[in-house]
Amino acid sequence: DAGVIQSPRHEVTEMGQEVTLRCKPISGHDYLFWYRQTMMRGLELLIYFNNNVPIDDSGMPEDRFSAKMPNASFSTLKIQPSEPRDSAVYFCASSLGGVGETQYFGPGTRLLVL
Amino acid sequence: RKEVEQDPGPFNVPEGATVAFNCTYSNSASQSFFWYRQDCRKEPKLLMSVYSSGNEDGRFTAQLNRASQYISLLIRDSKLSDSATYLCVVNPRPAGNNRKLIWGLGTSLAVNP
Repeated sequence: DAGVIQSPRHEVTEMGQEVTLRCKPISGHDYLFWYRQTMMRGLELLIYFNNNVPIDDSGMPEDRFSAKMPNASFSTLKIQPSEPRDSAVYFCASSLGGVGETQYFGPGTRLLVL
Repeated sequence: RKEVEQDPGPFNVPEGATVAFNCTYSNSASQSFFWYRQDCRKEPKLLMSVYSSGNEDGRFTAQLNRASQYISLLIRDSKLSDSATYLCVVNPRPAGNNRKLIWGLGTSLAVNP
C-alpha cells in the first residue's frame, strides 16, 4: 500500500517566488496535517484538516502561507511570496480517527529559499 | 517551562548497551503519549504509544510517571540500527475543540560498534 506521498521532494527557489507543496494522504484517512521542521524549532504543526475541512490553522506563520484540501486525496500548502526564513523540511501526515491516533508521515519536501 | 522537554543529547553508546531517555511535560492533564523515531533525513515514524501501565515491545520499554510528569524510553541491547532521533509527543487535554499534539525537539542517539 502506498503511504503518504509528497511532491516535490526538493525545492530550491528564490526569495519572492511562489512555492506549492503537494500531498496525497493514505486512502481512507480522515485527518491530514502539515508540519514544518527546522533544527531550531523542531516539528511545528502548521494546519490540520478533518474530512477536508481546516480545523486549526493557528500554526500558519502568516498570511503568506495558505493550505487547501479540495478533496480527500489531495492537499496543497502554498507560500507566496517565499522568504529565506521559510527554508525547512515540510511534512504532510495523515491519520485515521483523530489527532491522537498514529500519524503517518510522508517523506517531506526540503525547501530552500535563496 | 516548555510544554515538552527532552535532553537533545547526543547519547553515544556502544552496541549492546542499555540507554534511557526521559521526556518531561508541563500539562498535568495530558491524555496520551507517544515516542516517534526519526532517522537522519527521513520522516518520523511511530515507535510506540505510552500507556499508564507502561508498554514493552521487544527491546523497547516506555513508561509514564504522571506524578512527576515524565515519560521514559528504555532501549536494551542497543543495535547500530537504533541510531536515530527519538521524539517525545504529548496529546494534551483539549481546551474546547482544539487539540494538537505537542512535539519535543528530540533526543539523538548514536550506537557505536
